[in-house]
Amino acid sequence: DADVTQTPRNRITKTGKRIMLECSQTKGHDRMYWYRQDPGLGLRLIYYSFDVKDINKGEISDGYSVSRQAQAKFSLSLESAIPNQTALYFCATSDFFGQGATGELFFGEGSRLTVL
Amino acid sequence: AQSVTQPDIHITVSEGASLELRCNYSYGATPYLFWYVQSPGQGLQLLLKYFSGDTLVQGIKGFEAEFKRSQSSFNLRKPSVHWSDAAEYFCAVNGGRGGKLIFGQGTELSVKP
Repeated sequence: DADVTQTPRNRITKTGKRIMLECSQTKGHDRMYWYRQDPGLGLRLIYYSFDVKDINKGEISDGYSVSRQAQAKFSLSLESAIPNQTALYFCATSDFFGQGATGELFFGEGSRLTVL
Repeated sequence: AQSVTQPDIHITVSEGASLELRCNYSYGATPYLFWYVQSPGQGLQLLLKYFSGDTLVQGIKGFEAEFKRSQSSFNLRKPSVHWSDAAEYFCAVNGGRGGKLIFGQGTELSVKP
């Protein structure tokens, strides 16, 4: 089984619908992230969490919310989806940065979301 | 603020030819630098990373990268490209204890037979 699992892998929805993307990990990492990938723009950070009680906005958090239900689970919600949120979404985890850990990210396989 | 620039959006090389993908970063101190590869329909896989020591780092699949502080660069190289190397490549920087990776725009590599 994959260390970082995202569900669903593909989703088509309509404008105005609420969508939740879920991420679970078995790596035992405290830190979890949600990135969005768009062609020509690379990966942009939406939200990140350094532990269960810590949630932080990334560079493009507008229109998104997150929930850290447990150390191993981090979900991303689009309360009212719009077409320009059509993208490939990645969840990632990392070790604590420092004390020998380098902040390397471990990625899920991505969730492709299409908003019509 | 940290930033990463990959000047080449798309590169095409012939199989067997050498490859160099460019990456420039902006950060005031020595950053932690990464190269990731994304094959079609897949997530991102770490190729290699630099955080201290020898400025030439070796990675998986025969890739290497050289950190040049004077040029703020971390270019990825491979002596002989294989058709299976066709993918998108991302350079990333982590410049502080905040632990967030900032990614470049990506370079798509195509390999001609």
